Amino acid sequence: AQRVTQPEKLLSVFKGAPVELKCNYSYSGSPELFWYVQYSRQRLQLLLRHISRESIKGFTADLNKGETSFHLKKPFAQEEDSAMYYCALPANQAGTALIFGKGTTLSVSS
Amino acid sequence: DTGVSQDPRHKITKRGQNVTFRCDPISEHNRLYWYRQTLGQGPEFLTYFQNEAQLEKSRLLSDRFSAERPKGSFSTLEIQRTEQGDSAMYLCASSETGGPNTGELFFGEGSRLTVL
Repeated sequence: AQRVTQPEKLLSVFKGAPVELKCNYSYSGSPELFWYVQYSRQRLQLLLRHISRESIKGFTADLNKGETSFHLKKPFAQEEDSAMYYCALPANQAGTALIFGKGTTLSVSS
Repeated sequence: DTGVSQDPRHKITKRGQNVTFRCDPISEHNRLYWYRQTLGQGPEFLTYFQNEAQLEKSRLLSDRFSAERPKGSFSTLEIQRTEQGDSAMYLCASSETGGPNTGELFFGEGSRLTVL
């Protein structure tokens, strides 16, 4: 069955420090993977998806099929990055819905 | 268009009562999703519509839950005989045709249910 694991509930870093939010998955086939973010008092929104290979707000994520991982990285954290981050992938091959990990809270302090 | 809107934003009810939530998706989106989120968990998929057709339901959607999208526009999620375990944030999302594999989900702000 498809599954997303985010092993860390909370990640606390200082401003300017590198950030890596971990995501591991299990999936039959080649998945499309996503990172969604929820800032305080805002709605859940897409941050980036692996197929676009973009850097959004300084964040990147590389799909590692060998390790079945899709870790989210940023070289220098900023206070405005503090938010809840969710890794997600399609629930099935038809891609009719996403399943989400439990999320990681990123806290960036000065 | 202001995005996906949900109503009410917060509902407090007594155990055993029925509640109904409404979701208005982004107008040109023909896919609509309902998710449930409890404290410390990510959003959990409940059900999905393509236009007015309910194409998929999660095992989480017990018989007390029913969702409709009668004209392929807004959707309602009704919970009958609420239980304390139903307390959660109910999220609605919409997307264009192609679903999550090719597009992104646009979420509403959610409807928080508290069952006393």
